[in-house]
Amino acid sequence: GQQLNQSPQSMFIQEGEDVSMNCTSSSIFNTWLWYKQEPGEGPVLLIALYKAGELTSNGRLTAQFGITRKDSFLNISASIPSDVGIYFCAGQLPGAGSYQLTFGKGTKLSVIP
Amino acid sequence: KAGVTQTPRYLIKTRGQQVTLSCSPISGHRSVSWYQQTPGQGLQFLFEYFSETQRNKGNFPGRFSGRQFSNSRSEMNVSTLELGDSALYLCASSAPGAGANVLTFGAGSRLTVL
Repeated sequence: GQQLNQSPQSMFIQEGEDVSMNCTSSSIFNTWLWYKQEPGEGPVLLIALYKAGELTSNGRLTAQFGITRKDSFLNISASIPSDVGIYFCAGQLPGAGSYQLTFGKGTKLSVIP
Repeated sequence: KAGVTQTPRYLIKTRGQQVTLSCSPISGHRSVSWYQQTPGQGLQFLFEYFSETQRNKGNFPGRFSGRQFSNSRSEMNVSTLELGDSALYLCASSAPGAGANVLTFGAGSRLTVL
């Protein structure tokens, strides 16, 4: 099936540092979304992107929909301990249902106080 | 406003048994989607229901089935359980106008198959 290659798989950073993670694919996506999952919980939507080139911010989070429609990145500025969790990118392939998303394998973020 | 509620949260079954998982969506949400989450494969789409009809189905064997009731609550069933079915099963609901592709997930039902 279609795959989203998400990197890095894990990150250990100091509190206050900026973080960057990305997803790439050989396929074009109509939509890119970024979710965060904490232990014992389901994923929570952080940012949704709908147009190629779109750059959207949500507080300290910024994400972009790549021009080629095959990639997206998420940046977190000035990380804090509550940023700990697993971050997933997800996308909707052309022809797929609106809620039939393809997910990356996740980036596990650890923040050292 | 209550979130997406999934029951049971944890369950243990043995190979060959069958299991039914339940999902109550956010009030007013009529679309319910199910995903399987495993360490190896990540999150994979199972199926989506809207107004009691299955609109989309992922690439899973026929042992995986689901249904939706008139009150939008949904159930999924896995028959003849295999060890590889051990996973976190996530339900998500969606509402028109909430933004395309926006899923609100429940906390999941963690199934262990022995």
